[in-house]
Amino acid sequence: EVQLVQSGGGLVQPGGSLRLSCEASGFSFSSYWMSWVRQTPGKGLEWVANVRQEGSEKYYVDSVKGRFTISRDDTKNSLYLQMNSLRVEDTAVYYCATLPGWWGQGTLVTVSS
Amino acid sequence: DLVLTQTPLSLSVTPGQPASISCKSSESLLHSDGKTYLYWYLQKPGQPPRLLISEVSSRFSGVPDRFSGSGSGTYFTLKISRVEAEDVGVYHCMQSIELPITFGQGTRLEIK
Repeated sequence: EVQLVQSGGGLVQPGGSLRLSCEASGFSFSSYWMSWVRQTPGKGLEWVANVRQEGSEKYYVDSVKGRFTISRDDTKNSLYLQMNSLRVEDTAVYYCATLPGWWGQGTLVTVSS
Repeated sequence: DLVLTQTPLSLSVTPGQPASISCKSSESLLHSDGKTYLYWYLQKPGQPPRLLISEVSSRFSGVPDRFSGSGSGTYFTLKISRVEAEDVGVYHCMQSIELPITFGQGTRLEIK
């Protein structure tokens, strides 16, 4: 059974940092591009970043460039999202995913003072 | 960025009746490799999106055959042949032909 189990998230003040994690099982993690997608009631689903196999290529939506860093550790079947300089508008449920197929359960990130 | 426009944004369907959702792209989703990178998801409350259809018309593993996808170029349709109570939720289309990957606004389906 494919599983993507997320951890991290929570409440942080504007300007703060958080690290999201996603541990994969049930498939060959190292063979897949991996992505982070976020969802807000107002903006719907928004792709945030993705990373190629072995971490050789990384791409970001413009609004997070220079603030967020996607990474992966294939020895641990894990995906990460380091989020720095967080803004109120980064508040969302964040999902890891092997777009298009499998998604994690989601984790809420709230940026508020 | 490539824009996906879904219609309608909501629909109410009697069980056993068909339903149809459209997704229009601002640019062609046909890649030079011959594939068309358009996908459909169903998201139920409190859950992540679940993939229904890949590359316009291929049902994902475990998806009932009452779900079908069609279309080409810039216009795509998801059809449910006979709606069941478990089909309620928000349907999303997604494109991955170019970055940033983008989603439609979502279409909420409810049961009459």
